[in-house]
Amino acid sequence: DAGITQSPRYKITETGRQVTLMCHQTWSHSYMFWYRQDLGHGLRLIYYSAAADITDKGEVPDGYVVSRSKTENFPLTLESATRSQTSVYFCASSESGEGYGYTFGSGTRLTVV
Amino acid sequence: GEDVEQSLFLSVREGDSSVINCTYTDSSSTYLYWYKQEPGAGLQLLTYIFSNMDMKQDQRLTVLLNKKDKHLSLRIADTQTGDSAIYFCADFPGGSHNDMRFGAGTRLTVKP
Repeated sequence: DAGITQSPRYKITETGRQVTLMCHQTWSHSYMFWYRQDLGHGLRLIYYSAAADITDKGEVPDGYVVSRSKTENFPLTLESATRSQTSVYFCASSESGEGYGYTFGSGTRLTVV
Repeated sequence: GEDVEQSLFLSVREGDSSVINCTYTDSSSTYLYWYKQEPGAGLQLLTYIFSNMDMKQDQRLTVLLNKKDKHLSLRIADTQTGDSAIYFCADFPGGSHNDMRFGAGTRLTVKP
């Protein structure tokens, strides 16, 4: 089905482990984004990508790594998970740079214990 | 950085109108958005307004923009229990995706 898919839906990991959150979109949108949602902070941009092989930091990039070898995939890796990275992570995509609004995935709830 | 602010909670009775308010600080915002997040789901774009407009109406939704005061509001007429959700205001200043800002979200509770 067309859309934007995130996996896993829920993840529990231990402090210090590496974990990768997956995001896949079927529209061939140029732009993709990773946000984290925390109570009282709304959504904060972690990283974004304007096209394959082009990525850039957002507001809170520390502790995260992204890659975009294919247009449709934009994985987010926590290199060494910390408890402060417990959050709900949303991937989004956008067709263009003209601000038509983003389409969001359903989110991944990550708990670091 | 620039901020988008909105109140955290709003409670209304079914059938009443709901008004969710938002203020933003970046006067260069070209678009302003309202997103809706239902429990356990991602954000869905509800509506948006271009910065040269004062008002936009879409069925039960009315968006008002006061550029002078940098104030945006979303009015939901005849609010239903299905409208219970978190509503996010967002601005898009300067055309840079790195600068798109979301408010913290307003949790709307609709009581029967």
